[in-house]
Amino acid sequence: DAMVIQNPRYQVTQFGKPVTLSCSQTLNHNVMYWYQQKSSQAPKLLFHYYDKDFNNEADTPDNFQSRRPNTSFCFLDIRSPGLGDAAMYLCATSRVPDEQFFGPGTRLTVL
Amino acid sequence: GESVGLHLPTLSVQEGDNSIINCAYSNSASDYFIWYKQESGKGPQFIIDIRSNMDKRQGQRVTVLLNKTVKHLSLQIAATQPGDSAVYFCAENYGGATNKLIFGTGTLLAVQP
Repeated sequence: DAMVIQNPRYQVTQFGKPVTLSCSQTLNHNVMYWYQQKSSQAPKLLFHYYDKDFNNEADTPDNFQSRRPNTSFCFLDIRSPGLGDAAMYLCATSRVPDEQFFGPGTRLTVL
Repeated sequence: GESVGLHLPTLSVQEGDNSIINCAYSNSASDYFIWYKQESGKGPQFIIDIRSNMDKRQGQRVTVLLNKTVKHLSLQIAATQPGDSAVYFCAENYGGATNKLIFGTGTLLAVQP
């Protein structure tokens, strides 16, 4: 089935050690989004790609970067993870103006 | 580790009853609204959407009502089942062409057998 895939599902990293989370989609959607979701909170948009155009939210820390090498893949890079970056990271895709489809998320633990 | 989260509003219902989950949205210019269901440890799952030119939309066992005057959205679930237990988020499209969403705080629906 067409879907949004995130790898790994669980990621453990050390304080300050760079980490990359991966998202791929088989939906051929033109927009891909990255969200951060902390416990018992709503997803918070970090940035999105509209085709190849990168759009950063104003309050997204510089510590978070993203790459989209092609339509299917999008990566979230956390350059120096802090304890406060421990969260669920959700990838979503959409074909505007329709709804966003979410992946299962990657649970990041920072030790 | 992760910072302590907020306590989600909780709606507790008996199996078979109808559930109504409410949401207030912030931007009067938002023109598209979505309800998502999120089970523990999973990503949000689309339930139903509505555009601002409508007041009501029905799906299978679910109905969404939109009141633009008071910026209020509700999700009605008929004959609630244990499998409906989850956190429900409303989301509004504030991003226009890029379909960016702002999510509401979420409501935990607990279905009692």
